Amino acid sequence: GIQVEQSPPDLILQEGANSTLRCNFSDSVNNLQWFHQNPWGQLINLFYIPSGTKQNGRLSATTVATERYSLLYISSSQTTDSGVYFCAVEADYKLSFGAGTTVTVRA
Amino acid sequence: NAGVTQTPKFQVLKTGQSMTLQCAQDMNHNSMYWYRQDPGMGLRLIYYSASEGTTDKGEVPNGYNVSRLNKREFSLRLESAAPSQTSGYFCASSGGIGAQHFGDGTRLSIL
Repeated sequence: GIQVEQSPPDLILQEGANSTLRCNFSDSVNNLQWFHQNPWGQLINLFYIPSGTKQNGRLSATTVATERYSLLYISSSQTTDSGVYFCAVEADYKLSFGAGTTVTVRA
Repeated sequence: NAGVTQTPKFQVLKTGQSMTLQCAQDMNHNSMYWYRQDPGMGLRLIYYSASEGTTDKGEVPNGYNVSRLNKREFSLRLESAAPSQTSGYFCASSGGIGAQHFGDGTRLSIL
């Protein structure tokens, strides 16, 4: 199956800082999604981004499908951004998840 | 705007007991999925249903069965629960090629 690697595994930020999370994948995919899992365990869709760049408020994402990676940018981080960020890639209608990046934003 | 609804939210079972986790979506999606999440890991696909009337195994299907009851509902059954099945379980749906939308999950503990 497709291998999905996320880096870094853990990230500690001071409130207001910016950060970049990376997702590498091993094969061609139909699409890519970024999720945020909040401290209550809920998985929130952030981006559906098979290619190109999208922005949603303080978050943005870029996928370069030809080079098999995606980046998630968090700007002006807030404590509510804490949680685990997952990248998931789809092939044959099935999602394969990375292990996630745990983000802790300190006030 | 319910989206994907899972029941129950929490459950404790004894080894050997059986249990069915329920999932329903109101977005008229064709495809539905069951995942498990173990501590410190991403989600792994148990079973999926690409359309009403079809089901297929995912990455970790052993010990589970599924039923696609109709277009809205997709249930996951543990026939004889084992401690290794202690996990978080998530149901998702999608309109085929498109974003998957997840329920809030079920926390299952097996003693």
